[in-house]
Amino acid sequence: QVQHVQSGGEVKNPGASVKVSCKASGYTFSDTTIHWVRQAPGQRLEWMGWINTGSGGTKYSQKFQGRVTISSDTSANTAYMELSGLRSEDTGVYYCARQVVSGTPGDNWGQGTLVTVSS
Amino acid sequence: QSALTQPPSASGSPGQSVTISCTGTSSDVGGYNYVSWYQQHPGKAPKLLIYEVYKRPSGVPDRFSGSKSGNTASLTVSGLQAEDEADYYCSSYAGSNSYVFGTGTEVTVL
Repeated sequence: QVQHVQSGGEVKNPGASVKVSCKASGYTFSDTTIHWVRQAPGQRLEWMGWINTGSGGTKYSQKFQGRVTISSDTSANTAYMELSGLRSEDTGVYYCARQVVSGTPGDNWGQGTLVTVSS
Repeated sequence: QSALTQPPSASGSPGQSVTISCTGTSSDVGGYNYVSWYQQHPGKAPKLLIYEVYKRPSGVPDRFSGSKSGNTASLTVSGLQAEDEADYYCSSYAGSNSYVFGTGTEVTVL
């Protein structure tokens, strides 16, 4: 079955970077679109960006542009999200999600990765 | 990109219906038939309920239905059940390959 397994929680100092992975299984990863979505504690879902694993093309939310890099390794069936210049407001759960249907950023989601930014 | 506006909370008794609104602009909700709805239980990942305004993925009960009028989309949950108590989020395509989520609605089953 389709599944996305994300890497474990991270604790980072302000100013550091974090890289979260999302390993896919159960479908052809080499031609799909993976989105990344953030959820701060008790807050709403926030779209960060996506990558098309076939073309390598990416699109980022203006809010995160310049600080986020989304990449993928089709040989490892894994997508990555790296966020730099971390600040306390970046604390939250980061989800990856597969897009199959047009205009729908997530028909199948990873379990989420908690990133805590604290000195 | 501003978040889509949803009511913070909604409630209903078992068996009743509840409708959640999702208001955007002509640049997102009103401009495309790409509105989706997600259900999120505490501590869990979101689950897709509705895509392309009204379509249901396989396995989602037909108690969940979606619609849109102008810049406002709606999710109706009919025949409320205890397990429907969760947070609900809408999402819309916002042009230029970007997306936006709603502010979220907490549904309580009384």
